[in-house]
Amino acid sequence: QKEVEQDPGPLSVPEGAIVSLNCTYSNSAFQYFMWYRQYSRKGPELLMYTYSSGNKEDGRFTAQVDKSSKYISLFIRDSQPSDSATYLCAMRPGGYQKVTFGTGTKLQVIP
Amino acid sequence: DGGITQSPKYLFRKEGQNVTLSCEQNLNHDAMYWYRQDPGQGLRLIYYSQIVNDFQKGDIAEGYSVSREKKESFPLTVTSAQKNPTAFYLCASSPGPDPYEQYFGPGTRLTVT
Repeated sequence: QKEVEQDPGPLSVPEGAIVSLNCTYSNSAFQYFMWYRQYSRKGPELLMYTYSSGNKEDGRFTAQVDKSSKYISLFIRDSQPSDSATYLCAMRPGGYQKVTFGTGTKLQVIP
Repeated sequence: DGGITQSPKYLFRKEGQNVTLSCEQNLNHDAMYWYRQDPGQGLRLIYYSQIVNDFQKGDIAEGYSVSREKKESFPLTVTSAQKNPTAFYLCASSPGPDPYEQYFGPGTRLTVT
């Protein structure tokens, strides 16, 4: 079983929809949670990061962490065609430990 | 214009040849990383360096080598000992030793035939 599980998709939604992207994990030591966006044939870019449980909002993006369920989510409101990309979740324990990445969910927003 | 550059974007090599992938950053970051990305798998850490002249093996270091002679440069050599070298290689850097805030380069697609 992988430490981090992420549905690969693809996920297709109409423009303007609310998108929910999710990851589950098994390592209870994970404390820092990140979401990266990766366009085709490009490097990932950091979208958001959160520490421990709770919500964090940045514009149309909201990151949510539920440590009791070992479940994290990224919500995208008013989705745009430019949001079409692969979204990678990532997480790590406390201290300067390596980051574990999910496999990514491919999102397509249809105009 | 600060950032991370990787060259070349596409690289083709014959089996049995060593090849070196370039990674340069002008962000003045202390730490640098090399990852490999394969379809259906998450990014896997090959090597990382938290300071000049020091580097550590990641999860899949076998068949790879690195050097960190300058703060801004972290080249990766894929040797002939790497059994399955065809992949998308990503270089990243972070301001300090904490890897959560990593900035990635555009990647190099290596194809070995």
